[in-house]
Amino acid sequence: DVKVTQSSRYLVKRTGEKVFLECVQDMDHENMFWYRQDPGLGLRLIYFSYDVKMKEKGDIPEGYSVSREKKERFSLILESASTNQTSMYLCASSLWTGEVTGELFFGEGSRLTVL
Amino acid sequence: RKEVEQDPGPFNVPEGATVAFNCTYSNSASQSFFWYRQDCRKEPKLLMSVYSSGNEDGRFTAQLNRASQYISLLIRDSKLSDSATYLCAVNINNDYKLSFGAGTTVTVRA
Repeated sequence: DVKVTQSSRYLVKRTGEKVFLECVQDMDHENMFWYRQDPGLGLRLIYFSYDVKMKEKGDIPEGYSVSREKKERFSLILESASTNQTSMYLCASSLWTGEVTGELFFGEGSRLTVL
Repeated sequence: RKEVEQDPGPFNVPEGATVAFNCTYSNSASQSFFWYRQDCRKEPKLLMSVYSSGNEDGRFTAQLNRASQYISLLIRDSKLSDSATYLCAVNINNDYKLSFGAGTTVTVRA
């Protein structure tokens, strides 16, 4: 079974703190993604990566950065957390099938509260 | 216009009923469509892909209507365990990423 592991299930941070969310997948998938999920808004793509050291902005990249130094690990960084970044963060991975992205496998999510 | 839109529901149905709901998408050239299921406080998991000719998986039927740019999910003989939020996902630009709808909540009551 594909396993996508997110380092923290619940975090509480203060405004202005730097926050790291880590994600590791064990299936050698090329693609990795960070989404945030908010009630009524669904899943919105923050960043994705299709290879080591490669990254592309998603729909809402402002206030976030990412790092992919190894194929299995994709990190989301909030340089200076703000209260509007309180959300559920979901990491996902998928195999590159050559034409369109395949099935996404999600981690269990990291619920971040910024006070 | 949002890339992917869903009726949020909730759809509240008795056991054994049939429930169906749609998802519209913005790009007529999109090629890949999926339904995901998300249980409360859990991550989304793939329920089924949606093929051009329509497809069934047990009590679940997915259809694609390209002319009107929507996909649908029908659940027959609803079970209590079908209670969940159903997320529509579309590869809008046929590239690396999926765009998701906000989800349709289904509650099956005894």
